[in-house]
Amino acid sequence: SQTIHQWPATLVQPVGSPLSLECTVEGTSNPNLYWYRQAAGRGLQLLFYSVGIGQISSEVPQNLSASRPQDRQFILSSKKLLLSDSGFYLCAWSDREGDEAFFGQGTRLTVV
Amino acid sequence: LAKTTQPISMDSYEGQEVNITCSHNNIATNDYITWYQQFPSQGPRFIIQGYKTKVTNEVASLFIPADRKSSTLSLPRVSLSDTAVYYCLVGPGGFKTIFGAGTRLFVKA
Repeated sequence: SQTIHQWPATLVQPVGSPLSLECTVEGTSNPNLYWYRQAAGRGLQLLFYSVGIGQISSEVPQNLSASRPQDRQFILSSKKLLLSDSGFYLCAWSDREGDEAFFGQGTRLTVV
Repeated sequence: LAKTTQPISMDSYEGQEVNITCSHNNIATNDYITWYQQFPSQGPRFIIQGYKTKVTNEVASLFIPADRKSSTLSLPRVSLSDTAVYYCLVGPGGFKTIFGAGTRLFVKA
């Protein structure tokens, strides 16, 4: 069966520090991968999506970047965090031909 | 991707049937309608998906009229544990899944 792992679960980082959140998927090949952010009490904002290794599309201009070094690995990064980067970050995957997105447990990032 | 509109919040009582309607006037021919449920501090979870008419599973029913410009998620006999945010998504599926603000359902005892 397929599983998705996302870590860490919580993170407190100072303004200006770097960020690296990692997401890995097991039990499937060539998944579509997504990074979302959710501010408190708000809906999910799609940040990045990827249809293959090295293929990243950005949905909104921001202080973050994403990379996909391996088929089932998706990394969200920042060189210098801003206070506005605080939020709940979710990684998700879906089959290339499928319809359902499967989400990780999320990372709650607080920038102080 | 088609834009969706759904109520910001709804209240209900335990044991009642809850219907959440989503409007998607510019739905495309190859778009599916998908609903997700999200509890606090968790990722969304797939509930149901349909293309037209009615779809039912062990959790919910999805009603889609012939023009497909709206859809209604029906939750039978809700319980306190159904308190969550419910998202309606419209798109070709599996690609660029985009979530709106959702409907916050609050079930009271």
